[in-house]
Amino acid sequence: QQPVQSPQAVILREGEDAVINCSSSKALYSVHWYRQKHGEAPVFLMILLKGGEQKGHDKISASFNEKKQQSSLYLTASQLSYSGTYFCGTEIVGGFKTIFGAGTRLFVKA
Amino acid sequence: EAQVTQNPRYLITVTGKKLTVTCSQNMNHEYMSWYRQDPGLGLRQIYYSMNVEVTDKGDVPEGYKVSRKEKRNFPLILESPSPNQTSLYFCASSLRQGLNIQYFGAGTRLSVL
Repeated sequence: QQPVQSPQAVILREGEDAVINCSSSKALYSVHWYRQKHGEAPVFLMILLKGGEQKGHDKISASFNEKKQQSSLYLTASQLSYSGTYFCGTEIVGGFKTIFGAGTRLFVKA
Repeated sequence: EAQVTQNPRYLITVTGKKLTVTCSQNMNHEYMSWYRQDPGLGLRQIYYSMNVEVTDKGDVPEGYKVSRKEKRNFPLILESPSPNQTSLYFCASSLRQGLNIQYFGAGTRLSVL
């Protein structure tokens, strides 16, 4: 039931782009994205509700394809501050809890 | 300041010695959860509560207890800790189910010897 995130890890140079994917086998009501820096708590980035919308937050945006039960997080022109572990959290239709993926470790180097 | 407060931040204990990790939120959120985080496994939900006196099991509830007597507090109880409960624990709250944006506490790193 845990959503599957890919890739597990990615290394970028400053200014490069990255895409992180999150896939579920269940019908989803919403997908959330969080970033966790080393030694800190996860911090909410954005939420996508079913409807296939795309959201943006500075140079970080995300999409949600409810037919495929997939979401993608897009990081463009990456900065050193983007380094961390990214988690997707999913709420299934009719469910009462958020289930998180195993995370994608992102490292941006100068 | 809106926040979720967990205590203690670090705890070392021995097998079988009961312990409680406290969690308090000041945002009047209905929904609260406990997660454990282990390398490669992400955040796994232990228990959650949809409101006062309403709690339910998450994905990994064995060996844990919770209570929700007040809206702001959601303590996690380990009645007889074992080494496999060594982990990083997070408490989180959210406004409501269906718009379940989670606000996390700073975490409690527990070691059970």
